[in-house]
Amino acid sequence: GDSVTQMEGPVTLSEEAFLTINCTYTATGYPSLFWYVQYPGEGLQLLLKATKADDKGSNKGFEATYRKETTSFHLEKGSVQVSDSAVYFCALLKAAGNKLTFGGGTRVLVKP
Amino acid sequence: GAVVSQHPSWVICKSGTSVKIECRSLDFQATTMFWYRQFPKQSLMLMATSNEGSKATYEQGVEKDKFLINHASLTLSTLTVTSAHPEDSSFYICSAPPRRENYGYTFGSGTRLTVV
Repeated sequence: GDSVTQMEGPVTLSEEAFLTINCTYTATGYPSLFWYVQYPGEGLQLLLKATKADDKGSNKGFEATYRKETTSFHLEKGSVQVSDSAVYFCALLKAAGNKLTFGGGTRVLVKP
Repeated sequence: GAVVSQHPSWVICKSGTSVKIECRSLDFQATTMFWYRQFPKQSLMLMATSNEGSKATYEQGVEKDKFLINHASLTLSTLTVTSAHPEDSSFYICSAPPRRENYGYTFGSGTRLTVV
């Protein structure tokens, strides 16, 4: 079946450091890929998405590129802030209206 | 934007009692609602999909009689954990699919259930 694998955390960084969270997927066909963020005590929010190969999703300084050849969708941010501390989930979707398949989540802690 | 309100945000109950969790779509109609369970330091596991006007669809291994899901209206879906036990303690989150193709799924804020 479909699956998403992302690096385990926690990832601890200093403010203004570069952040990378690796995400790879296994799926047939051409899924859409997402990054969701969960701030402490809150639900998940869509951070960015890409719907086809070579698409780049970006939002709030975060970027991720849909790489079909490596089945990856790594999340990057050039300069993190304390407010970026959260849990980040990589997910895939096979078709609109179907269920999302999530990775295990990566907790990120940014220290001032 | 679309908002799903989930209540309660946390609840503590005694073993053997039942707990109801509600998810309401505030500014849109959600004909479908996904219910997830999140274990500590683990990912979200889809439990079931509720559809307004029909029976919920449960994922393999999820006890239908323990986790009762009802989609009473286009704006309300509920999950009732019946005869709760400590192993049911978890974080439960609901999610509504996007209304349009370019929108993301909308998630509730989650409910932390602790069974003592």
